[in-house]
Amino acid sequence: AQSVTQLDSQVPVFEEAPVELRCNYSSSVSVYLFWYVQYPNQGLQLLLKYLSGSTLVESINGFEAEFNKSQTSFHLRKPSVHISDTAEYFCAVITSGTYKYIFGTGTRLKVLA
Amino acid sequence: DVKVTQSSRYLVKRTGEKVFLECVQDMDHENMFWYRQDPGLGLRLIYFSYDVKMKEKGDIPEGYSVSREKKERFSLILESASTNQTSMYLCASSHQGVNTGELFFGEGSRLTVL
Repeated sequence: AQSVTQLDSQVPVFEEAPVELRCNYSSSVSVYLFWYVQYPNQGLQLLLKYLSGSTLVESINGFEAEFNKSQTSFHLRKPSVHISDTAEYFCAVITSGTYKYIFGTGTRLKVLA
Repeated sequence: DVKVTQSSRYLVKRTGEKVFLECVQDMDHENMFWYRQDPGLGLRLIYFSYDVKMKEKGDIPEGYSVSREKKERFSLILESASTNQTSMYLCASSHQGVNTGELFFGEGSRLTVL
């Protein structure tokens, strides 16, 4: 069965430092990959997605993620974080042709001043 | 602005009560979902609907039922609430047949069962 692993439950980082949030998935078949962000007391919002084409995808607020098929990973990176990036980040995968999204357990990013 | 609206942000109910959580989307999406979010467990799918009056069980349907009488509205029902159903409930919707796959989420309904 498809699964998504986010090994880090919490990641503290100082403002303006780089950060990487890790995501690994299990499926070897065609998949679509997503990162969602959840700010306190809100629902989830799409941050970025990989459907096909270039393996490096970017968001409008400076995050990027790279699809690595051989390592079945989709790690999220930002070269310089801001206080406002403090949130919980969820990696998700859906297998092509299905409806069922599989979510990781989330990584809580805390940006420190 | 596209929107998924959940009727109640916070609810407090007693054990045994019947609970209705309502969700409405204005994007004409075919697919609608109910998830439960718990710390350390991520999001778990309770039920999914791909059309009016159609539903499929997700990973944790026990103790829940759903209703989809209109395309824009998807209701989650707890027939007899129990304390282990205290959680955050998230509704989401998406287009069917469009392989962007993006889910649009409501702001969540935090349910406490005493």
